[in-house]
Amino acid sequence: AQSVAQPEDQVNVAEGNPLTVKCTYSVSGNPYLFWYVQYPNRGLQFLLKYITGDNLVKGSYGFEAEFNKSQTSFHLKKPSALVSDSALYFCAVRALSGSARQLTFGSGTQLTVLP
Amino acid sequence: EAQVTQNPRYLITVTGKKLTVTCSQNMNHEYMSWYRQDPGLGLRQIYYSMNVEVTDKGDVPEGYKVSRKEKRNFPLILESPSPNQTSLYFCASSRKASSAANEKLFFGSGTQLSVL
Repeated sequence: AQSVAQPEDQVNVAEGNPLTVKCTYSVSGNPYLFWYVQYPNRGLQFLLKYITGDNLVKGSYGFEAEFNKSQTSFHLKKPSALVSDSALYFCAVRALSGSARQLTFGSGTQLTVLP
Repeated sequence: EAQVTQNPRYLITVTGKKLTVTCSQNMNHEYMSWYRQDPGLGLRQIYYSMNVEVTDKGDVPEGYKVSRKEKRNFPLILESPSPNQTSLYFCASSRKASSAANEKLFFGSGTQLSVL
């Protein structure tokens, strides 16, 4: 069975500082990896995905994520946080050979950027 | 505007009273899915649909029904709601079912359901 762990329920960072939201995964074979963001009272929005190729993936709003196969991690990063980045972030994984339904989400990490 | 529309946004009901949450997408997407979001558990898939008249169970289908009679609509039906179905529900869609594994999902704004 595949799984996603987001070890931090809450991450606080000062505006202008770099931020990291952690994600580790477990899946049979090669993974598809995703990050989604949820703003208050909104549905999830796609940020970025890793399918294959370059381990550093760039996405929306200046976010990027680094795929590390040996550590089975896919941490979300941003060089300089904004107050408007405050939201709930979800990591998700699907096996390369999996069916459409087998997208597993993590439990989410609440990011708060302090002014 | 391309979007996934869910209604209602908020719903309070009582145990056993049948209800339907509607979901409609205007992007001609093949794949549609329902999730529930609970604190500390993330999103869990309830049902999904690969195309019209093709539906299948997700990870937590008990107590729910769905139908896909038209490509754009994918309603979620609770025949006899119970308090443990109190949750935040999201409908999502993606473009192609055949490549759904690497397609991004488009989500609705959510339906907060409370079953008393």
